[in-house]
Amino acid sequence: QSVLTQPPSLSAAPGQKVTISCSGSTSNIGSNYVSWYQQLPGTAPKVLIYDDNKRPSGIPDRFSGSKSGTSATLDIAGLQTGDEADYYCGTWDTDLNRGAVLGGGTKVTVL
Amino acid sequence: EVQLVQSGAEVRKPGESLKISCEGSGYTFASYWIAWVRQMPGMGLEWMGIIFPGDSDTRYSPSFQGQVNISADKSISTVFLQWNSLKASDTAMYYCARVIYHYTSSGYRFYFEYWGQGALVSVPS
Repeated sequence: QSVLTQPPSLSAAPGQKVTISCSGSTSNIGSNYVSWYQQLPGTAPKVLIYDDNKRPSGIPDRFSGSKSGTSATLDIAGLQTGDEADYYCGTWDTDLNRGAVLGGGTKVTVL
Repeated sequence: EVQLVQSGAEVRKPGESLKISCEGSGYTFASYWIAWVRQMPGMGLEWMGIIFPGDSDTRYSPSFQGQVNISADKSISTVFLQWNSLKASDTAMYYCARVIYHYTSSGYRFYFEYWGQGALVSVPS
């Protein structure tokens, strides 16, 4: 059972927008920065968003992050077939010495 | 260019020991935390622990404390993940990642900035 809760799967047609939610608590999302990762099939994960809403260089602005209270969201606009992947949220948790925590992952399927 | 290169795939028997490695290049190795992340077959990512190669300060996830040992040798820019007695349930892909980790007045900044290619560890029962 992951500390951060994500929907297991989402799907949308090319060109549409997908919103992935990540729900946590005051000890993690509510008080620390959130990051998001994309894992394409058979590859290592890659950071898409860090510090709640910042994009590393090279990440298209179709990917955007936001946070409100104890929940965070990753939006993928203008969905492309190459976006079909698993997406994970992550943050630090100060409760029970948990340390870094990650969501269970969301499989995005492009119809 | 920042690179993390991991050692190759391993197959071991239950009860055997194993040490896998992650070599960093393209940056000041001693100055950044390195994390280990487990991904069991068909499952999600799990944080195992982090180490600061500069002074070998190490933090473990409660789920992995006592199960593995994380160490570093800054003279060869390498971090290690070690098991003393492998179990079939240790079968997984293991990733190392360079981490940004520090406390600010707005909370902890923690994210996996660069990733290694992964190392598959198989422990068939």
